[in-house]
Amino acid sequence: NAGVTQTPKFQVLKTGQSMTLQCAQDMNHNSMYWYRQDPGMGLRLIYYSASEGTTDKGEVPNGYNVSRLNKREFSLRLESAAPSQTSVYFCASSEARTKTYEQYFGPGTRLTVT
Amino acid sequence: KQEVTQIPAALSVPEGENLVLNCSFTDSAIYNLQWFRQDPGKGLTSLLLIQSSQREQTSGRLNASLDKSSGRSTLYIAASQPGDSATYLCAVMDSNYQLIWGAGTKLIIKP
Repeated sequence: NAGVTQTPKFQVLKTGQSMTLQCAQDMNHNSMYWYRQDPGMGLRLIYYSASEGTTDKGEVPNGYNVSRLNKREFSLRLESAAPSQTSVYFCASSEARTKTYEQYFGPGTRLTVT
Repeated sequence: KQEVTQIPAALSVPEGENLVLNCSFTDSAIYNLQWFRQDPGKGLTSLLLIQSSQREQTSGRLNASLDKSSGRSTLYIAASQPGDSATYLCAVMDSNYQLIWGAGTKLIIKP
């Protein structure tokens, strides 16, 4: 099992460019999440998907859109990148049936917007 | 609104010492609490998860405790080693099953 995978690992964008961060999990989890981590701060939730076909805003959704493509895949799109979106982005998944709701994380995508 | 605080922000100790990292939270209505390790430029590794009904969890040289009534958790690391150097993050899961994160404690173990 690969767990949670994210592509790309690194990306540099110019202000105004768009891109999509990809996330996939092979654990048959229902819930998936996108977080961002800025220096000296904890992770903050951008969007989550409790199940296939549903998405909800987290703490910092502005400037982002998401798509739950199927049960395995959850993508994050930046339509018009801004320097304030320079961050490390983590995808995670979890399964309510485990009763712990423990989240499993991908390796992260390091995004720089110039 | 749930807030999670980790003190100190950074800690440097000689190899072999036992140490305690602290995590406090403002709302005791939590589902569980997790401790993670993050190495520089790397992802997150889950260390210990404590359910709200539990008082502590142990894994090897690590022991995490939870006191919901006082809004505190501690991560105890015994006989520290240079390989323990990393940032340690605490996260509480609220009643909506969302994780609220602390900013982390950067730990340096000096050989």
